Amino acid sequence: AQSVSQHNHHVILSEAASLELGCNYSYGGTVNLFWYVQYPGQHLQLLLKYFSGDPLVKGIKGFEAEFIKSKFSFNLRKPSVQWSDTAEYFCAVNGNTGGFKTIFGAGTRLFVKA
Amino acid sequence: GAGVSQSPSNKVTEKGKDVELRCDPISGHTALYWYRQRLGQGLEFLIYFQGNSAPDKSGLPSDRFSAERTGESVSTLTIQRTQQEDSAVYLCASSLEGSSGANVLTFGAGSRLTVL
Repeated sequence: AQSVSQHNHHVILSEAASLELGCNYSYGGTVNLFWYVQYPGQHLQLLLKYFSGDPLVKGIKGFEAEFIKSKFSFNLRKPSVQWSDTAEYFCAVNGNTGGFKTIFGAGTRLFVKA
Repeated sequence: GAGVSQSPSNKVTEKGKDVELRCDPISGHTALYWYRQRLGQGLEFLIYFQGNSAPDKSGLPSDRFSAERTGESVSTLTIQRTQQEDSAVYLCASSLEGSSGANVLTFGAGSRLTVL
């Protein structure tokens, strides 16, 4: 079955710490991968996406993610977090075998201490 | 419109009542999605429309749930005979097109449903 697994439900970091949020997926065929973010009081919005090409993709606010096909992973990273990065982060995937419906992980709540 | 609009933003209802949730997608977006988010959980796919047809209804939890879309515009999610486990935030999203997957979802603010 198609699924997305996020390793951490809650992460607490101090400002300037490095961040890595894990994401693994189970999905046959060609995949498109996404990270969405929901800041407090705001709508879910796209952080970054991978469709093809360079497996290291860069998004807004200094975030990046690396697609490792052999590990079915798409981990999100940021070298130095800021208090304003406090949010909930969702990994998502779609692909040609699932009719392109987008499946989301359970989310990771990140709290950055100032 | 400028964004995806959902109404009502909050709905409190009694068990057994029917509810309708509405979604106005971004003008020109042909694909529309409904998701459910229970407290502390991820987004659960419910249904997806391409135009006004629904190629994938696989996520609808039971026959109490139904959805329709008129043209490439408004969609309504209807829950009949609501149960307490239906309490959740119902999120709507739209995208330019859904057939390739190379599309980004734009989400609304959600409709928070509480069933007493």
